[in-house]
Amino acid sequence: QSALTQPGSVSGSPGQSITISCTGTSSDVGGHNYVSWYQQHPGKAPKLMIYDVTKRPSGVSNRFSASKSGNTASLTISGLQAEDEADYYCSSYTSTTISYVFGPGTRLTVV
Amino acid sequence: EVQVVETGGGLVQPGGSLRLSCVASGFAVSDNFMSWVRQAPGKGLDWVSIIYNSGNTYYADSVKGRSTISRDNSKNTLYLQLNSLSVEDTAVYYCAGAVGFTNAFDIWGQGTVVTVS
Repeated sequence: QSALTQPGSVSGSPGQSITISCTGTSSDVGGHNYVSWYQQHPGKAPKLMIYDVTKRPSGVSNRFSASKSGNTASLTISGLQAEDEADYYCSSYTSTTISYVFGPGTRLTVV
Repeated sequence: EVQVVETGGGLVQPGGSLRLSCVASGFAVSDNFMSWVRQAPGKGLDWVSIIYNSGNTYYADSVKGRSTISRDNSKNTLYLQLNSLSVEDTAVYYCAGAVGFTNAFDIWGQGTVVTVS
């Protein structure tokens, strides 16, 4: 069972915006600015989309943005495109185990 | 090119052992946080173990006491020794490195499949 919680699925139409939440505790999401988000297409390796809560690696579309409030982090994808359909995982450093933890993942469907 | 390539997966009987390898190129495993992450069939990502550049290691409760993460700096290779395997260990095992960033894993391999049956 994941220490972080995410919705199981979200959906949106092309061009719309969606937000995925990731809720943890003060030992992980709320206590450190080390939240990251990963995109995973079926049969592929995860891809880093966001690091340090809000930062985008070079090459990641600016349609992806993220934020944090208290123990909850959020990933927003604007201008949805068919290629955004994938699983999204949040991750955080946790001082409980001095390591990292993943959320259970959210499946994004672009309908 | 900065990349990692995992090998060592396969079919193993319950109670058996495997050693997974992750060869890195374009960066030094000794300079970065390196981790093993697994994904059971149809399930989400599950962090397994990490070795920091300091050499400190940490393990998920699910593998603690029966796995060892290590690195060979001369071969620029990360390892994961898995013992006392059970069907619950069946998964794709990914090697991941925090290379461009300190607390996020930006370099992932293609994964190696471990099947315990």
